[in-house]
Amino acid sequence: DGGITQSPKYLFRKEGQNVTLSCEQNLNHDAMYWYRQDPGQGLRLIYYSQIVNDFQKGDIAEGYSVSREKKESFPLTVTSAQKNPTAFYLCASGQGTNTGELFFGEGSRLTVL
Amino acid sequence: GENVEQHPSTLSVQEGDSAVIKCTYSDSASNYFPWYKQELGKRPQLIIDIRSNVGEKKDQRIAVTLNKTAKHFSLHITETQPEDSAVYFCAASIISGTYKYIFGTGTRLKVLA
Repeated sequence: DGGITQSPKYLFRKEGQNVTLSCEQNLNHDAMYWYRQDPGQGLRLIYYSQIVNDFQKGDIAEGYSVSREKKESFPLTVTSAQKNPTAFYLCASGQGTNTGELFFGEGSRLTVL
Repeated sequence: GENVEQHPSTLSVQEGDSAVIKCTYSDSASNYFPWYKQELGKRPQLIIDIRSNVGEKKDQRIAVTLNKTAKHFSLHITETQPEDSAVYFCAASIISGTYKYIFGTGTRLKVLA
């Protein structure tokens, strides 16, 4: 069954701790994206990657890091430098052209205690 | 910088009435404009898209119009039903050497029975 999988679905973290959100896709898509969703602010782009071992910062990359060692995987690390990390995080994948559907995961909700 | 503005932020309509959501983009190089629907607690899913060489596209009760000169595009839902209640996001695909999608801030549509 093809798709994009995020884990964990819910995550709690203490202040000062780093946390890594997983995103895996078996759609053979070249491009992968991380978005942050906050109420009233839509989907804001954190990082995106078009090919393995390459990625670009989005609009709100500060306090986040990513890696793209495999085509199928694009994990996001929320570091202690992110001042307001409590949010809903969505991963997406696409063909990597500028005309094409993005497929989203079910999201990960991070709460910092 | 690149920006997509979306209005209104909330919209309530009576069942059977029409709903219109409008978006404006800033980058004239954009050439792909998708609309996503996000039901409560679920992932965003593509409902319709339009490319810059087309002025209008229709799929049953849903239509999208594009005005390249004015750099705005709109989603039209006719004969609204309670299951249309959701958050709708517009997006513009930005050509910048790599391909990223910039989303609007979302419109919460409520269809009142």
